[in-house]
Amino acid sequence: DAGVTQSPTHLIKTRGQQVTLRCSPKSGHDTVSWYQQALGQGPQFIFQYYEEEERQRGNFPDRFSGHQFPNYSSELNVNALLLGDSALYLCASSLPGQDTQYFGPGTRLTVL
Amino acid sequence: AQSVTQPDIHITVSEGASLELRCNYSYGATPYLFWYVQSPGQGLQLLLKYFSGDTLVQGIKGFEAEFKRSQSSFNLRKPSVHWSDAAEYFCAVGKYGNKLVFGAGTILRVKS
Repeated sequence: DAGVTQSPTHLIKTRGQQVTLRCSPKSGHDTVSWYQQALGQGPQFIFQYYEEEERQRGNFPDRFSGHQFPNYSSELNVNALLLGDSALYLCASSLPGQDTQYFGPGTRLTVL
Repeated sequence: AQSVTQPDIHITVSEGASLELRCNYSYGATPYLFWYVQSPGQGLQLLLKYFSGDTLVQGIKGFEAEFKRSQSSFNLRKPSVHWSDAAEYFCAVGKYGNKLVFGAGTILRVKS
C-alpha cells in the first residue's frame, strides 16, 4: 500500500513567481491537509480539503490556494512568492472522520 | 487558543540510556494527542496517539507516552535509546479530523 506521495521533491523559484505542489493521499483517504514547515519550526496548518472543497484554513494569506480533484489528490498553489515562503511543504491524508493524519515526505521549496 | 509547548529544543542522551521528551498543551477540552518523528529532510512518521482510555499508550519503535490531564502533559518516553533514534520529535494536538497544532520540536542527539 503506497503512502502519501508528493511531487516534486525539491523546487527552486525566484521572488514573484508562482508554484504548484502536488499530493496523492494514501489509498482510501479522502481528506488532505497541507502544512508549511519553516526551518527550525514545527509544521503550521495551511488548509484542509474534503470532497473537493476547502474545509478549514489556517492563518495564511490568499496567495496560498489549493484544489482537490475527484480522485482525492490535491494541489497547493502559491502566488507572488516571497523569500519567507521558503520551507518544507507537507501533505497529510486521513480517512473520513478519522483524526490520524499520515504525512508525505514533503516538497522543499527554496525562494531566491 | 490551542498551543503545544515542547520546552527542550535539544536533548542529548547516551546510547542505552532512558529518554523522556516533554510536551505540554493548551486546549479547550481533552484533545487527541500525537507524537511524530522526523528524520533529516524527511516527512513525519506517527509514533503513537492518544484518544481516550488508558493514559499510557504504546507506540512503534519501543516508545510510549503518558497522558496526564492534571498537568496538561503528554510526555514521550523510551527505556533504552538506540543511535537510530536520533531525529526531531514533534508533539501535536487536534480533534475531530481538524487541523493539527504542533510544538516547535525537540532534536534528539544520541552519543555512543
